Amino acid sequence: DQQVKQNSPSLSVQEGRISILNCDYTNSMFDYFLWYKKYPAEGPTFLISISSIKDKNEDGRFTVFLNKSAKHLSLHIVPSQPGDSAVYFCAASFYSGSARQLTFGSGTQLTVLP
Amino acid sequence: GAVVSQHPSRVICKSGTSVKIECRSLDFQATTMFWYRQFPKQSLMLMATSNEGSKATYEQGVEKDKFLINHASLTLSTLTVTSAHPEDSSFYICSALAGVNEQYFGPGTRLTVT
Repeated sequence: DQQVKQNSPSLSVQEGRISILNCDYTNSMFDYFLWYKKYPAEGPTFLISISSIKDKNEDGRFTVFLNKSAKHLSLHIVPSQPGDSAVYFCAASFYSGSARQLTFGSGTQLTVLP
Repeated sequence: GAVVSQHPSRVICKSGTSVKIECRSLDFQATTMFWYRQFPKQSLMLMATSNEGSKATYEQGVEKDKFLINHASLTLSTLTVTSAHPEDSSFYICSALAGVNEQYFGPGTRLTVT
């Protein structure tokens, strides 16, 4: 049972345009959401996060939107740059009593075309 | 930002041998570290949660006698793959919990069992 889903395995965007990466979740216990960027043979790099008490968080070119009623979040990158090309994972967490664990989506390969 | 290192970055071993992978938080202390594995073109799957000074908590389906985890200090956790088989070949990634919510990931270790 996939609790965090990224239904688009890949996305191509022209440089300068907006990239929108989507993520859906099923577990209503999740209260914290994160986006990570990953290059091949490297560990994920934290990008941006959002708490469930908010619906938007912005950091430079990156904005994360959370729609709790739809159990949906999205990452907007604008303007997109060729260096943004990577696999993007969304992750969700809740406090289980011992520690916060992350549940990852399957990732979306973003390719920004020059 | 928080830095997590892993050693080695790549290791090739023969079937039946054991391999130890180290995960270190370089500029912060982490009472909780996590171990993940990633198969090609798949998401990161949590294997276990490593708590300093106590036993690790393993996810369902992960053999604790095969994947030995030791979190001996606030900056070091080790994963030992015992009696390795070719199907254990994978990309192993650790992360360290900084604060309450953010996990910072190591660069990963590529294990190949021949």
